[in-house]
Amino acid sequence: SQQGEEDPQALSIQEGENATMNCSYKTSINNLQWYRQNSGRGLVHLILIRSNEREKHSGRLRVTLDTSKKSSSLLITASRAADTASYFCATDYTGNQFYFGTGTSLTVIP
Amino acid sequence: NAGVTQTPKFQVLKTGQSMTLQCAQDMNHEYMSWYRQDPGMGLRLIHYSVGAGITDQGEVPNGYNVSRSTTEDFPLRLLSAAPSQTSVYFCASSYRGQREQFFGPGTRLTVL
Repeated sequence: SQQGEEDPQALSIQEGENATMNCSYKTSINNLQWYRQNSGRGLVHLILIRSNEREKHSGRLRVTLDTSKKSSSLLITASRAADTASYFCATDYTGNQFYFGTGTSLTVIP
Repeated sequence: NAGVTQTPKFQVLKTGQSMTLQCAQDMNHEYMSWYRQDPGMGLRLIHYSVGAGITDQGEVPNGYNVSRSTTEDFPLRLLSAAPSQTSVYFCASSYRGQREQFFGPGTRLTVL
């Protein structure tokens, strides 16, 4: 399977703290995306980073990509209770097939 | 725009029954796909389509059929349901060449 893996599987933090989650994948990619899933709902796209980029920002989100280590990290700064969700990375190898990781469940305690 | 819509939201089938999960999008997206989500497994790609009349297999296609007769619709067919197909199914779409996928709300399927 080409499926990636997120680490940690679960993360619990206090509101206002930063949350970091990691994604590892297996082979060379075109790009990597991060998605959020609130309980029982569909996924929402957060950010995309291309294979030739090393860092990208969007609001309180910061994504890094290390292609030599085949890994990416998602940092959420100044977390809020509304950030409570599961976060998934998705890798694009072929341009048409996307492989999702197993997800990190984030709980932000008010 | 309604975005990506899926019907039904919930379905219970008996082993061997057939059914079709419906997916429609009103954003004129060329690319559409079906995923299943199982606990601890993340999302796995079942089938995808890059345009009307074109479909291809994803990571876990066995037991599922798809067709794409229009840009808007991408139904997923289970010909003979099995308990192993109990899962939550998500449909997604995107502009071809752009990678951001828009997801539907999902269909929770239980096969007894």
